Amino acid sequence: GEQVEQLPSSLIVQEGASVLINCSYTDSASVYFPWYKQEPGKRLQFIIDIRSNMERKQNQRLTLLFDKKTKHLSLHITATQPGDSAIYFCSASMYTNAYKVIFGKGTHLHVLP
Amino acid sequence: DTTVKQNPRYKLARVGKPVNLICSQTMNHDTMYWYQKKPNQAPKLLLFYYDKILNREADTFEKFQSSRPNNSFCSLYIGSAGLEYSAMYLCASSREREGYAEQFFGPGTRLTVL
Repeated sequence: GEQVEQLPSSLIVQEGASVLINCSYTDSASVYFPWYKQEPGKRLQFIIDIRSNMERKQNQRLTLLFDKKTKHLSLHITATQPGDSAIYFCSASMYTNAYKVIFGKGTHLHVLP
Repeated sequence: DTTVKQNPRYKLARVGKPVNLICSQTMNHDTMYWYQKKPNQAPKLLLFYYDKILNREADTFEKFQSSRPNNSFCSLYIGSAGLEYSAMYLCASSREREGYAEQFFGPGTRLTVL
């Protein structure tokens, strides 16, 4: 079945730095890739997504790049703030009779003030 | 109201006893999901309902049951809890009738089996 791998597993950066989170998947049937963020003590929250017919999507300080050939995604966060500290989850979604979603293990981002 | 609610938030269960977890949403979402989340692991999809159709993952098929009596509610049932069931259980919903859609997650139920 589909597998999703995220790297790195953790990141510690100084406020203002940019970070890159990488994600790869195995099943070419995956067509939709939402990303979620979980701040300490809070629920998972959707932050950005991309479809397999796109290469790039931007939402404010977040840029998501997608390479269908290599089955690879990367999430770029610029001008990080302490409030960005969270676990970031990549996911890959394929359609059966609804969108079945497989998650990566997450990347722990800690932004130091 | 764009929140997904889960009850209870914490559950203690004895080995061999049944467990029933509840999830609700009022967004009229057609799909509801249940995930199991253990520390430092990916949320693992257990099953999902699209409308009234239940889809269970092959590797957890016999371990978890679910029901969706109406559009708003979905339960997760464990017939006989084992120590390995201790985890956070996350419910999520999405509106997929219109195509690609992000999921809205509940706060989770932390299940501890003793």
